[in-house]
Amino acid sequence: DIQMTQSPSSLSASVGDRVTITCRASQGISNYLAWFQQKPGKAPKSLIYAASSLQSGVPSKFSGSGSGTDFTLTISSLQPEDFATYYCQQYNSYPPTFGPGTKVDIK
Amino acid sequence: QVQLVQSGAEVKKPGSSVKVSCKASGGTFSSYTISWVRQAPGQGLEWMGRIIPILGIANYAQKFQGRVTITADKSTSTAYMELSSLRSEDTAVYYCARSKVEMATIRNLAFDYWGQGTLVTVSS
Repeated sequence: DIQMTQSPSSLSASVGDRVTITCRASQGISNYLAWFQQKPGKAPKSLIYAASSLQSGVPSKFSGSGSGTDFTLTISSLQPEDFATYYCQQYNSYPPTFGPGTKVDIK
Repeated sequence: QVQLVQSGAEVKKPGSSVKVSCKASGGTFSSYTISWVRQAPGQGLEWMGRIIPILGIANYAQKFQGRVTITADKSTSTAYMELSSLRSEDTAVYYCARSKVEMATIRNLAFDYWGQGTLVTVSS
């Protein structure tokens, strides 16, 4: 199985900050990478697919980049509703696998 | 508007089985795959398996092979996940999630919509 790692595991940030989360795959996955946001007690919400394409309705403050093994999710200006846990997931190979998550909380 | 609506919370005894449903609306059910993903308390996300209703094909993660069965009823746009031989470690929230399929490779593409989750508690 492809192992996904994320860094940092958690971060504290202020409203208005630019935040970047990194995701790394244990082997090349082309651009078959997605990002999800999850708030406590809620289902994950799909943010990005194909490494850099926004899902319908997702605000443009979210952006993704990368290909191969290294990927990033950037939130350009953090807002109160963005405090959550973010997961990356590869869907290049079976089984699809998720990163362990990055918790973004308020500084 | 696409919605995936799951059945309600369940409490089960160890050794028993649970069957969770996921009813889709607002899209063409057969054109997508439905996957099941679980999340143990305080833990991350774990893919269990998927079904492609239009092909009638189901695939499972090796960890769950022999214990999980995923089915779909195209007439009601509903997918089901049954997990047997339950143990305490199966206590988790179970989510269904929809994705398109890359027909040339039968590869799942990215999840776009998720169900609200179903808490399954396994306790004696």
